[in-house]
Amino acid sequence: GAGVSQTPSNKVTEKGKYVELRCDPISGHTALYWYRQSLGQGPEFLIYFQGTGAADDSGLPNDRFFAVRPEGSVSTLKIQRTERGDSAVYLCASSLKGGTSHNEQFFGPGTRLTVL
Amino acid sequence: AQSVAQPEDQVKVAEGNPLTVKCTYSVSGNPYLFWYVQYPNRGLQFLLKYITGDNLVKGSYGFEAEFNKSQTSFHLKKPSALVSDSALYFCAVRVPTDSWGKLQFGAGTQVVVTP
Repeated sequence: GAGVSQTPSNKVTEKGKYVELRCDPISGHTALYWYRQSLGQGPEFLIYFQGTGAADDSGLPNDRFFAVRPEGSVSTLKIQRTERGDSAVYLCASSLKGGTSHNEQFFGPGTRLTVL
Repeated sequence: AQSVAQPEDQVKVAEGNPLTVKCTYSVSGNPYLFWYVQYPNRGLQFLLKYITGDNLVKGSYGFEAEFNKSQTSFHLKKPSALVSDSALYFCAVRVPTDSWGKLQFGAGTQVVVTP
């Protein structure tokens, strides 16, 4: 079966531009997470969706970052007025259930964002 | 504050020798602990997890990890390393009081297995 997919794999943009990053989770997984991985660091949590709703967005760095999951499957991470400091690999993960379950998260290959 | 530490940036071993990758944590309560591996240009792959019960956890590709509550550690081990085990390894902790399951990761340890 297909794993978590993310598009594009690479995105180069200019400072101040708007970008959208897409995540397609494993079919049937209700929980979806976004993480950001900067060079030489471990992934850092951004936002968690249970179904269509963002249950925890405490990791979003500021209001330039926003994410949606309108039908409870595909999610889009949106970044407005990009800054050079936004350059990182953005990882998406899904799990069968989120919340208090112990299900492991399955990660996509990531989108490498470079802001020039 | 919760944290997870991987004290070694890199671990280098010869093929066939035992491999240990260290992880310590600081979490209130009983943590859920995970190990993931990351190959170049690929996503993180789940290796194993500790939730409760037996302190020795066995996972994928011959890896195992031992939960030590008194030392707040969860070291990853493999009795005989392969060149193909060369990758970036991440320890992660899930805070038990967190209702949403987000993971907090260490900075990663680069494992190099030489032929």
